[in-house]
Amino acid sequence: GQSLEQPSEVTAVEGAIVQINCTYQTSGFYGLSWYQQHDGGAPTFLSYNGLDGLEETGRFSSFLSRSDSYGYLLLQELQMKDSASYFCAVRDNQGGKLIFGQGTELSVKP
Amino acid sequence: ETGVTQTPRHLVMGMTNKKSLKCEQHLGHNAMYWYKQSAKKPLELMFVYSLEERVENNSVPSRFSPECPNSSHLFLHLHTLQPEDSALYLCASSQETSGRANNEQFFGPGTRLTVL
Repeated sequence: GQSLEQPSEVTAVEGAIVQINCTYQTSGFYGLSWYQQHDGGAPTFLSYNGLDGLEETGRFSSFLSRSDSYGYLLLQELQMKDSASYFCAVRDNQGGKLIFGQGTELSVKP
Repeated sequence: ETGVTQTPRHLVMGMTNKKSLKCEQHLGHNAMYWYKQSAKKPLELMFVYSLEERVENNSVPSRFSPECPNSSHLFLHLHTLQPEDSALYLCASSQETSGRANNEQFFGPGTRLTVL
């Protein structure tokens, strides 16, 4: 079957660094994505990894290891506004649908 | 208007009502999606339209009926719903190409549906 696993909750303090892990099992693999969703809002795209390695976009970085079926989202210099749910998602074939994880709720404390 | 818009933002309906959710994308994309998001659950894909043709129907009950009259508009017609259908319904769009895609989908704000 197809599944993604990520922690349900993570708590951190302002200014800290937090890593949200995602492991996946899919029949095929066409990239790992991350989405952010604030409470009551729309999910917004954060990053995409199609190949192994680290992709950096400002305070956010995303990593992929295809051999380990594993990726993570790294958030640096945490701010209160980063409190949100973070979803990893994979596409299981070139023309296929996105499969989402159940989301990690990040709480940033002062 | 920019991005992806959805109306209404909130909807309360009885089990015997018929209503429709509307989605419009202003991004020139060629694919549109309906997702259901229930509390503490992952986003569940319901329907996919690519170039106005339905390409995915994820075993969704027939009380949900999608319609895609053109590449910019997507509807979800609702009838005889159940209380367990109460959820946030999200519309999304993307530009699907034959080459490498970055899995980026653009979501609307959603319709919060409550079925009494």
